[in-house]
Amino acid sequence: ETGVTQTPRHLVMGMTNKKSLKCEQHLGHNAMYWYKQSAKKPLELMFVYSLEERVENNSVPSRFSPECPNSSHLFLHLHTLQPEDSALYLCASSQGVGQAKNIQYFGAGTRLSVL
Amino acid sequence: KQEVTQIPAALSVPEGENLVLNCSFTDSAIYNLQWFRQDPGKGLTSLLLIQSSQREQTSGRLNASLDKSSGRSTLYIAASQPGDSATYLCAASSNTGKLIFGQGTTLQVKP
Repeated sequence: ETGVTQTPRHLVMGMTNKKSLKCEQHLGHNAMYWYKQSAKKPLELMFVYSLEERVENNSVPSRFSPECPNSSHLFLHLHTLQPEDSALYLCASSQGVGQAKNIQYFGAGTRLSVL
Repeated sequence: KQEVTQIPAALSVPEGENLVLNCSFTDSAIYNLQWFRQDPGKGLTSLLLIQSSQREQTSGRLNASLDKSSGRSTLYIAASQPGDSATYLCAASSNTGKLIFGQGTTLQVKP
């Protein structure tokens, strides 16, 4: 148990659906991250939030919309996805950003399949 | 643009062997380098973090080294056990906290 919880663990959706992924951290951290892990590709950083403000958007298509209502919760709203968006979506948190001792703690991920 | 490469992509060893996993990065201006473990269907667990000013870190049977000048890091696993079977990922961190990951090395330790 890393202190970072993601729900749901598995999600199947059609290309016209709208769904949301949820991430919650119980570590008192100030930074949260969304990553995408596709088959046979390295993990890709999608978004970074620090103190509830987005500090990085890594050229992610607008069909992915993040939301960080407070420092403990992070959402990824999905709409009009494509089959190539099928992947494992991982959430992480850390004490802050830009620190040499900054370890990121990861959730177990949401396995997303877009039909 | 930082690129991280891990060799080999897969490795199978008998139990008890010592082994080395390799990680190379193209931009030596890193803030730190981290090694993670990922079990099938699970998230990542941080194993070791080496700050840019350090040369190595140890935790139990694991030892990670960092050579910034050559753009290399290694993860040494002593006396491997079947429970060590997993995918091992290295990631180089920029000063903004952005992690650039390698594709990982999938390790199988056979009893």
